Amino acid sequence: GIQVEQSPPDLILQEGANSTLRCNFSDSVNNLQWFHQNPWGQLINLFYIPSGTKQNGRLSATTVATERYSLLYISSSQTTDSGVYFCAGQGGSEKLVFGKGTKLTVNP
Amino acid sequence: DAGVTQSPTHLIKTRGQQVTLRCSPKSGHDTVSWYQQALGQGPQFIFQYYEEEERQRGNFPDRFSGHQFPNYSSELNVNALLLGDSALYLCASSLNPAGGYTFGSGTRLTVV
Repeated sequence: GIQVEQSPPDLILQEGANSTLRCNFSDSVNNLQWFHQNPWGQLINLFYIPSGTKQNGRLSATTVATERYSLLYISSSQTTDSGVYFCAGQGGSEKLVFGKGTKLTVNP
Repeated sequence: DAGVTQSPTHLIKTRGQQVTLRCSPKSGHDTVSWYQQALGQGPQFIFQYYEEEERQRGNFPDRFSGHQFPNYSSELNVNALLLGDSALYLCASSLNPAGGYTFGSGTRLTVV
């Protein structure tokens, strides 16, 4: 079945710092999404990125499908970036499988 | 354009009772999936509905059932509630079963 592993599990930054979150996934994954879950539980879709690189403001993501990993970059972090970041993989029309998440805390 | 809407936002039930959670998908989406997220964990897949049929199911007991209506909205029903059913229940919709998912804000269920 699909396996998704995220690292690091926890990350603490000072406001303004940059960070990289990693997601490794198994061979059966051909679609990948990154989500941000805010402290109120809302899961926000950041990127749908089966391969290549996408950017949205201070966030960008790169998926190297041939090497089975994806990276989420956060630049100039802000306190509002705090929360849990999940990557989730999907194989074809199968269910979306989530990693355990990276809990990010950005201190002022 | 309304996103995925879920109701109610919070719910407290007694062990043994039954509960129904509701979800309206994002406009233009026809596939609805339900997830359970326990505290401190990632969301776990319950089941997916497409064309009013359950097409995939995760590792959840038969106490968990669902329905999709012709307008693509969906319900999640849980019978004989257990304390361990306390969780955030998330609904996600997509353009089709293989599409990118958009999640609702969830229903936080507490079983006492």
